[in-house]
Amino acid sequence: QVQLQESGPGLVKPSETLSLTCTVSGGSISSYYWSWIRQPAGKGLEWIGRIYTSGTTNYNPSLKSRLTLSVDTSKNQFSLKLSSVTAADTAVYYCARDGAPSCRGGRCDWFMDVWGKGTTVTVSS
Amino acid sequence: DIQMTQSPSAMSASVGDRVTITCRASQGISNYLAWFQQKPGKVPERLIYGASTLQSGVPSRFSGSGSGTEFTLTISSLQPEDFATYYCLQHNNYPWTFGQGTKVEIK
Repeated sequence: QVQLQESGPGLVKPSETLSLTCTVSGGSISSYYWSWIRQPAGKGLEWIGRIYTSGTTNYNPSLKSRLTLSVDTSKNQFSLKLSSVTAADTAVYYCARDGAPSCRGGRCDWFMDVWGKGTTVTVSS
Repeated sequence: DIQMTQSPSAMSASVGDRVTITCRASQGISNYLAWFQQKPGKVPERLIYGASTLQSGVPSRFSGSGSGTEFTLTISSLQPEDFATYYCLQHNNYPWTFGQGTKVEIK
């Protein structure tokens, strides 16, 4: 079955760029949407944005000016870059499968059905 | 953005209790709603999608209902392993938005 694994630095300095990669194993990255979600310690979940394997993206407007999502189908990976980070960006970052163009209506078998284990990113000098 | 308001934010319940959690959307979202369970230090797990479809492998004591702006997650008989935080998520309009969470604690 499909598994996801986030990777990247656990510590980023303020004003720098946070970079994470999600590796998809056990299946192909193609023909699905893929999302990033984050969760500050003790708080709720926030959707960051998603990317399709063609490279089409949808971003949360609250992060859009600082966010870049990309995909590398040859490596079965997709990535997140968040620039100009502050302490408010400190969180656990998750990647997840976010549906497919073949989904019709809200009942989509592949919507947020698989998540990575999450990676903790701390923004601190 | 569509606001998702969960109620209650927290609750205490006993094993065997029937538990109902409500999620209200600030505008209609049809059935573009999923429910997740998250235990401390763990990854959120999907329980319900399409507002009422039970995720494979999830016990049948969990059920979801609703459409439009009001949705419910019901646990028919609370079990010890169900003590957790529950989130709803709408994916009808960008940005996808989560409810603030409902923490179900042991009474």
